[in-house]
Amino acid sequence: AQRVTQPEKLLSVFKGAPVELKCNYSYSGSPELFWYVQYSRQRLQLLLRHISRESIKGFTADLNKGETSFHLKKPFAQEEDSAMYYCALLTGANNLFFGTGTRLTVIP
Amino acid sequence: GAVVSQHPSRVICKSGTSVKIECRSLDFQATTMFWYRQFPKQSLMLMATSNEGSKATYEQGVEKDKFLINHASLTLSTLTVTSAHPEDSSFYICSARDSLGQFFGPGTRLTVL
Repeated sequence: AQRVTQPEKLLSVFKGAPVELKCNYSYSGSPELFWYVQYSRQRLQLLLRHISRESIKGFTADLNKGETSFHLKKPFAQEEDSAMYYCALLTGANNLFFGTGTRLTVIP
Repeated sequence: GAVVSQHPSRVICKSGTSVKIECRSLDFQATTMFWYRQFPKQSLMLMATSNEGSKATYEQGVEKDKFLINHASLTLSTLTVTSAHPEDSSFYICSARDSLGQFFGPGTRLTVL
């Protein structure tokens, strides 16, 4: 069975500081991983996906199969980054399986 | 990106009544839509996968007779919570996938009194 673990429910950093949101997964197949973000009073939206290896809003995430991790990183946090972040795994049945989420607060 | 709408955004109903929630893909056709449930301060839990023109596929533990899903067209899926009870109160979110990714509706908050 698949599992997505986000160990931190809450994370606070100061503006300009680096931020890392942790995500570990467990999956028997070849993983396809995503980060979704939900800003206050807005719908869930895709932030980035590992297969595209892109940087969105300064965020990057690298899939580490050895450590089964897909941590989200940004070198300099901004106040507008405050949001709820969900790591998600796409299963072979084409279903997205979500972690429990991390609420990031960037302190001005 | 593609837009997914939900209606209503919130609904309050009495125990025992049925509630229908609509999910539409506004600018694309979705052969597959998904219904999630989110409890306060918890993650999204997949309830069922809705396939256009065929029966929905329910996740383990989700009562198919309780949560009726209809996917009548490529742009519309409906979730009907039948004989709702207070424990059904939750945030229900639909999602649709196209070639660019999976897009989410704004959610419907159901409160059963």
